[in-house]
Amino acid sequence: AQSVTQLGSHVSVSEGALVLLRCNYSSSVPPYLFWYVQYPNQGLQLLLKYTTGATLVKGINGFEAEFKKSETSFHLTKPSAHMSDAAEYFCAVSDGFGNEKLTFGTGTRLTIIP
Amino acid sequence: DGGITQSPKYLFRKEGQNVTLSCEQNLNHDAMYWYRQDPGQGLRLIYYSQIVNDFQKGDIAEGYSVSREKKESFPLTVTSAQKNPTAFYLCASSTLYTSGTPYEQYFGPGTRLTVT
Repeated sequence: AQSVTQLGSHVSVSEGALVLLRCNYSSSVPPYLFWYVQYPNQGLQLLLKYTTGATLVKGINGFEAEFKKSETSFHLTKPSAHMSDAAEYFCAVSDGFGNEKLTFGTGTRLTIIP
Repeated sequence: DGGITQSPKYLFRKEGQNVTLSCEQNLNHDAMYWYRQDPGQGLRLIYYSQIVNDFQKGDIAEGYSVSREKKESFPLTVTSAQKNPTAFYLCASSTLYTSGTPYEQYFGPGTRLTVT
């Protein structure tokens, strides 16, 4: 079965600093990987996804993530944090061939320090 | 605009009452999902459905029921058997794995249920 580990339930960075949110996955098959963002009391919005091909994936709002098979990682980065990036971020992995279910990590709350 | 609607945004019920949460999508997606979200626990799958009149239990189905009579609708009933129903409930939809396209899930705005 697939699993996702997000290191750090809370991350704080200064405005303008690098954002790095960590995600490691476990999968017995080549995975599809996703990052979602959730603002308070709202649903989840897709930031970016990795399916096949290029391992560096660019998403919305200046975020990107790199799929590293050897490290089973899919860390999310943004070069310069903005106050509007404060939210909760979830990493997810596909459940494997044959169905569409996703397994989500427990989330990382990002705080931006002015 | 295509999307997923959930109603109501906030719902209050007395303990012992069943309550039904609405989820409608106009994305023409075949698959639909219900998740429960509690602080610090991420999203946990309650039920999912890949086709009309069929659905499967997720990880925490006890105390919940669903129906899928129409492709665009997937209502969730929280029954009185659910021990701790107060939570944020999210509905999502996606294409099928067999569609050949990446099947990311699209989420509704959520319903916050409080049971006292």
